[in-house]
Amino acid sequence: AQSVTQLDSQVPVFEEAPVELRCNYSSSVSVYLFWYVQYPNQGLQLLLKYLSGSTLVESINGFEAEFNKSQTSFHLRKPSVHISDTAEYFCAVTPGRGNMLTFGGGTRLMVKP
Amino acid sequence: SQTIHQWPATLVQPVGSPLSLECTVEGTSNPNLYWYRQAAGRGLQLLFYSVGIGQISSEVPQNLSASRPQDRQFILSSKKLLLSDSGFYLCAWSYSAPYEQYFGPGTRLTVT
Repeated sequence: AQSVTQLDSQVPVFEEAPVELRCNYSSSVSVYLFWYVQYPNQGLQLLLKYLSGSTLVESINGFEAEFNKSQTSFHLRKPSVHISDTAEYFCAVTPGRGNMLTFGGGTRLMVKP
Repeated sequence: SQTIHQWPATLVQPVGSPLSLECTVEGTSNPNLYWYRQAAGRGLQLLFYSVGIGQISSEVPQNLSASRPQDRQFILSSKKLLLSDSGFYLCAWSYSAPYEQYFGPGTRLTVT
């Protein structure tokens, strides 16, 4: 079985500052990794994913995440956040079989002006 | 392109009343379908998933049930709602591979 730990439940940050949202996972097999974003009262949107290949993956809105197999981590980063990035962010993993995603508890990113 | 719909968007129901939430997917065939619940201030809880018509797997025991009468339709039901059923219900779909899931807009259920 897999487990996902998002180490920070809330991350307050000022606008234009850099941010890192941490995600660590535990699994006895290889996994695929995802970050989702949820704006208030909306469903989850896929932000980025790691399936294979380059360990650094990027989204279209400036976020990036790096898969670190030795540290079993998949931290999400953005060099300069905007007010509109305020949302809940979920890290998720799956071994691929059965398609079940295991989600972390979420991190609330609060961007202040 | 694929789209996923959920309705209603919001619902207020008294304790003991029945429930029916509907989810439909367009633009794909034979998707895997999922129901999640998100309680206030908490993470996602997988309730049910389905890999085909009439095939439902339950992840947690509860007074909810799910059905898949058509390939792209997934229904969440209850005969008698409890206060603890309040929450944000999300439907999602996926292909067999790759493995990401795509979520609907959600239904906010308040049981009074």
